[in-house]
Amino acid sequence: SAVISQKPSRDICQRGTSLTIQCQVDSQVTMMFWYRQQPGQSLTLIATANQGSEATYESGFVIDKFPISRPNLTFSTLTVSNMSPEDSSIYLCSVDQGRRALNTEAFFGQGTRLTVV
Amino acid sequence: GQNIDQPTEMTATEGAIVQINCTYQTSGFNGLFWYQQHAGEAPTFLSYNVLDGLEEKGRFSSFLSRSKGYSYLLLKELQMKDSASYLCAVSNGGSARQLTFGSGTQLTVLP
Repeated sequence: SAVISQKPSRDICQRGTSLTIQCQVDSQVTMMFWYRQQPGQSLTLIATANQGSEATYESGFVIDKFPISRPNLTFSTLTVSNMSPEDSSIYLCSVDQGRRALNTEAFFGQGTRLTVV
Repeated sequence: GQNIDQPTEMTATEGAIVQINCTYQTSGFNGLFWYQQHAGEAPTFLSYNVLDGLEEKGRFSSFLSRSKGYSYLLLKELQMKDSASYLCAVSNGGSARQLTFGSGTQLTVLP
């Protein structure tokens, strides 16, 4: 199974600033995803990070607010821009190694707990 | 649209059996996942079903009926450490493993 390192693990930021979250995988993966988990809620997909092209964003999320990079098959970043208290959430990186066998799974990083004050 | 329903909360006693249900209505289907999430931690994978039937893995089993849009997670011999949120998630199809998550079921195991 893939090992995913995500950093920072937590941060407290001032409103109006930006934070970049890094996701490093120990092996090449086909797909990388970014999720948000707001307090007391379940996970919501923000975007799919595509290697060599722009990320694909889900409804309600835009590139200006959440720019994403995917320079290679083992690394991606998510930036939360111009933060407001409503952006306080856990942000999670997830990968899919592209296996097509049964019992395949999506792996998650340990998450970044962001508090905006 | 995507809709995944599961109970918000459940309570059970240590040593007992509990079944957490999940119903889904999605535009595509490429498998259903169950994750366990302890407070303040990332979700950890429990099970994956893509064909109808029961998948058993130790104390945990998961069932899927695609025609009914229904799954359940069965936890046997409950332990205190099983107190956590249990997330049902559906892979919507296509080549990518994007997941749509239910709101999660908070399970409390009592002594």
